[in-house]
Amino acid sequence: GQSLEQPSEVTAVEGAIVQINCTYQTSGFYGLSWYQQHDGGAPTFLSYNALDGLEETGRFSSFLSRSDSYGYLLLQELQMKDSASYFCAFDYNQGGKLIFGQGTELSVKP
Amino acid sequence: DAGVIQSPRHEVTEMGQEVTLRCKPISGHNSLFWYRQTMMRGLELLIYFNNNVPIDDSGMPEDRFSAKMPNASFSTLKIQPSEPRDSAVYFCASTEPGQSSSYEQYFGPGTRLTVT
Repeated sequence: GQSLEQPSEVTAVEGAIVQINCTYQTSGFYGLSWYQQHDGGAPTFLSYNALDGLEETGRFSSFLSRSDSYGYLLLQELQMKDSASYFCAFDYNQGGKLIFGQGTELSVKP
Repeated sequence: DAGVIQSPRHEVTEMGQEVTLRCKPISGHNSLFWYRQTMMRGLELLIYFNNNVPIDDSGMPEDRFSAKMPNASFSTLKIQPSEPRDSAVYFCASTEPGQSSSYEQYFGPGTRLTVT
């Protein structure tokens, strides 16, 4: 079967760095995506890793290790507005079918 | 540019009634996805279309659920008859043509369905 595991909750303080881990199990894998969802809002795309290594987009970076079936999202210089749920999702068949994790609720404290 | 449009934004109905959710994808996008989100089950893919053709409906929970995409700019998700356990937020999402972009899905604002 296919599954993803990520922590349910993470708490950090403003200005700090936080890492949200994601491990996955699947027979088909093309890449790992990250989405952000604010309370009451829609998921919005953050980043995608098709190859091993680090992808950087502003304050956010995402990492993938295919051999370890593992990835993470790194958020730097945390701001209060970063408080949201973060979902990892893998691209199962390159045709659009994303399998989402249960999400990690990030709380940023002042 | 307009994003993905969903209607209604909120729907409250009684058990047994028919519910129809509507979605207009971003113009030019050729794949459309219907998701359901609940606290217990997270974000689940129900069905997705490519060029108006249903590709994978394995996530549709049961025969009470049906989805159509009569043209490139409109899709519906129908529940008949509705049950309280169908209460959830239903999202529609779309993607640009091309396999290389299928991972970047644009979500609509969602329809919050409550079945009493």
